[in-house]
Amino acid sequence: GQQVMQIPQYQHVQEGEDFTTYCNSSTTLSNIQWYKQRPGGHPVFLIQLVKSGEVKKQKRLTFQFGEAKKNSSLHITATQTTDVGTYFCAGRAGGTSYGKLTFGQGTILTVHP
Amino acid sequence: DADVTQTPRNRITKTGKRIMLECSQTKGHDRMYWYRQDPGLGLRLIYYSFDVKDINKGEISDGYSVSRQAQAKFSLSLESAIPNQTALYFCATSDPRQGRETQYFGPGTRLLVL
Repeated sequence: GQQVMQIPQYQHVQEGEDFTTYCNSSTTLSNIQWYKQRPGGHPVFLIQLVKSGEVKKQKRLTFQFGEAKKNSSLHITATQTTDVGTYFCAGRAGGTSYGKLTFGQGTILTVHP
Repeated sequence: DADVTQTPRNRITKTGKRIMLECSQTKGHDRMYWYRQDPGLGLRLIYYSFDVKDINKGEISDGYSVSRQAQAKFSLSLESAIPNQTALYFCATSDPRQGRETQYFGPGTRLLVL
């Protein structure tokens, strides 16, 4: 079945440093979504990428979808303590625009003030 | 998201006991999901339902069963709980009529099996 691998599992940064998490799928994806889970909370949708090579920005967050639609990344510039949490990527299998997602293992981000 | 609620929020049970986790939603979504979250393993899909008459196994359905009582309700049962079912359980909903079919998660149920 489809597998989505995410690295690193943990990332500790000083406030102001940049952070990147990477997501790789074993199969071509139709789209990929990113979610953030604050400590003690539940996953909350951040963004969806659909097109090959797509890049989207949300303030300090930059999301990329690979040309082959098998990998993606989330980059945070100048982290803040409010960025603390677990970031998940979640992919939908190629050929299906809707339906169930396969989640990566998540990257736990800690930001030291 | 207050539109998706889960009960109980915390549960301690003993090995061999049958327990039910409940999920209700007021979003009017047809699609509902049950996930479990374990450290280092992310969110793994247990069961999902695309409408009231549709039930599908996810990647880790063994030891679990579900019931879709209505569009708004989706229950997860552990017929005979075992310690490795200790985890954080999330219910989620989605609407395929949305352009991006975001999943909306409930607050989670923390389950401890002794």
